[in-house]
Amino acid sequence: DAKTTQPPSMDCAEGRAANLPCNHSTISGNEYVYWYRQIHSQGPQYIIHGLKNNETNEMASLIITEDRKSSTLILPHATLRDTAVYYCIVPYGQNFVFGPGTRLSVLP
Amino acid sequence: DAGITQSPRYKITETGRQVTLMCHQTWSHSYMFWYRQDLGHGLRLIYYSAAADITDKGEVPDGYVVSRSKTENFPLTLESATRSQTSVYFCASSSEAGGIYEQYFGPGTRLTVT
Repeated sequence: DAKTTQPPSMDCAEGRAANLPCNHSTISGNEYVYWYRQIHSQGPQYIIHGLKNNETNEMASLIITEDRKSSTLILPHATLRDTAVYYCIVPYGQNFVFGPGTRLSVLP
Repeated sequence: DAGITQSPRYKITETGRQVTLMCHQTWSHSYMFWYRQDLGHGLRLIYYSAAADITDKGEVPDGYVVSRSKTENFPLTLESATRSQTSVYFCASSSEAGGIYEQYFGPGTRLTVT
């Protein structure tokens, strides 16, 4: 299974881009990378996923390195409401493991 | 209301009691899931269902029972609640089109077992 590693916490100034890194060095060729976030006490929220091409939607952009061993979630203009725990997940089979994630604090 | 709902939102029960947590989704999603989240930890999968009448165990199924007689409902029953089952329980669903891992979560049920 492809384990993911994320920094435990990050700060970002409001209005700036938030770049959240994730290492998944053991990812295999057909495994996707998923990103979720969990705002305090709420249910997790799906953000985006990708295989090898960069992806963008209304919430965020996902940049995956060419070797697919790491990825970066980008929130282009972070707001206070983006303060949350962000989870990077590489699922396989029925395993869909939410690890400790990165606690992003957006500061005014 | 459209979406995924859970009830009750808060529940206090005593050790040994049976308690059922309800989950209802209006999207007709094929897949449904139950997770638990303990204070300061990530989510752990309890059970999941690929369709009505099809269920399977996740990482931590002991002490829990599920059923899925209708596509939209996926109740979780604690047959004899224990203090270790004090947790926040999240239900989620996903569609065939979006894929099993593009999950949409309910607001959670905070369960306390005394």
